[in-house]
Amino acid sequence: TQLLEQSPQFLSIQEGENLTVYCNSSSVFSSLQWYRQEPGEGPVLLVTVVTGGEVKKLKRLTFQFGDARKDSSLHITAAQPGDTGLYLCAVTREGTGANNLFFGTGTRLTVIP
Amino acid sequence: AAGVIQSPRHLIKEKRETATLKCYPIPRHDTVYWYQQGPGQDPQFLISFYEKMQSDKGSIPDRFSAQQFSDYHSELNMSSLELGDSALYFCASSSTRTRGSEQFFGPGTRLTVL
Repeated sequence: TQLLEQSPQFLSIQEGENLTVYCNSSSVFSSLQWYRQEPGEGPVLLVTVVTGGEVKKLKRLTFQFGDARKDSSLHITAAQPGDTGLYLCAVTREGTGANNLFFGTGTRLTVIP
Repeated sequence: AAGVIQSPRHLIKEKRETATLKCYPIPRHDTVYWYQQGPGQDPQFLISFYEKMQSDKGSIPDRFSAQQFSDYHSELNMSSLELGDSALYFCASSSTRTRGSEQFFGPGTRLTVL
């Protein structure tokens, strides 16, 4: 079973529209990260959220960590073609001491000019 | 700022051949991770090293091995290659002295097994 479920799996929108991507789990995490990956490239870290209810903004991207630290959302305002890519949430498994990442199922975003 | 370097970027091999992928972490990063990403899938953790010692093991096949050298670069050795090994292989590095869970990924090596 997948530790992190993302929705939607695919999203195709027009330039200028807003969108929200969700990352959900039944487990509690001390932190959660969001990455963006372009085809043939490595994931690039966008943000790390740590505190329940925390909201972080990165230009037109707004990230929120759920109050219970089980879920997170990524909201993009006025999407641009440059936002196209695979968005991945990721966590480390709690209580193991290991720092390897478990990734969500991913949301593949296409912004049409 | 220096990033994670991986080589080669592309590799084509025949079934049953061997392959070696190299990773050069960000300077002063003490932990290296290897991930495998199949087509349309999310990256899956293979193995990690902290200060040149294996620290954690994920879904790495027995045909694969890895090590980290004294200069902190790491190599992933893959033997008896199978068609299903075709994937993107990413190396990531992090520093436990700063924010240990934040990993920085290299551009990846695309391995194609024919």
